[in-house]
Amino acid sequence: GENVEQHPSTLSVQEGDSAVIKCTYSDSASNYFPWYKQELGKRPQLIIDIRSNVGEKKDQRIAVTLNKTAKHFSLHITETQPEDSAVYFCAATTSGTYKYIFGTGTRLKVLA
Amino acid sequence: DSGVTQTPKHLITATGQRVTLRCSPRSGDLSVYWYQQSLDQGLQFLIQYYNGEERAKGNILERFSAQQFPDLHSELNLSSLELGDSALYFCASSSKATITGELFFGEGSRLTVL
Repeated sequence: GENVEQHPSTLSVQEGDSAVIKCTYSDSASNYFPWYKQELGKRPQLIIDIRSNVGEKKDQRIAVTLNKTAKHFSLHITETQPEDSAVYFCAATTSGTYKYIFGTGTRLKVLA
Repeated sequence: DSGVTQTPKHLITATGQRVTLRCSPRSGDLSVYWYQQSLDQGLQFLIQYYNGEERAKGNILERFSAQQFPDLHSELNLSSLELGDSALYFCASSSKATITGELFFGEGSRLTVL
């Protein structure tokens, strides 16, 4: 979608706790919702994605949920570990357009 | 290693100058995206090419231009540089003509304008 809002901008959690990052998008035709992790000084890398025909997807300690009606999707990280500390970006894209627009990012700090 | 190569890794130049950043996508990828990441900022979409054709433009300044060559490598040209152009410039590639798929990012080119 053209506009993607992401919250919170920073998030600190204790090791072992869960972390939730939320994104909202404006284009109702958006159909692909990836999440990227960017460690300090490194390139963004895809960690999980979801398509509009699916409501939830899990991969070990991470999961993404999608609410198409409300036009928002969330990243859930359970049992957080120090190595989860990074900046996380969501994106929403639409078939037929070519703009891959990212949210503003969430800096996650996992405190040992 | 994502398979996307960006050069140079670091570049220091003066205001008013012009620089060219180069990107080689993963083997077989036809789409190339350029992003600007300023300090502690997000990924600002600049422009996207598919198989040599410009497909989408984001917040790319008129002082910036890009192209994708027949061998699929891409160049981002930044001219009349200003202090605010200092940033990390990422190139990313994907295999799909549409955008519903993973982007593979290069390591970035860090530009410092003094």
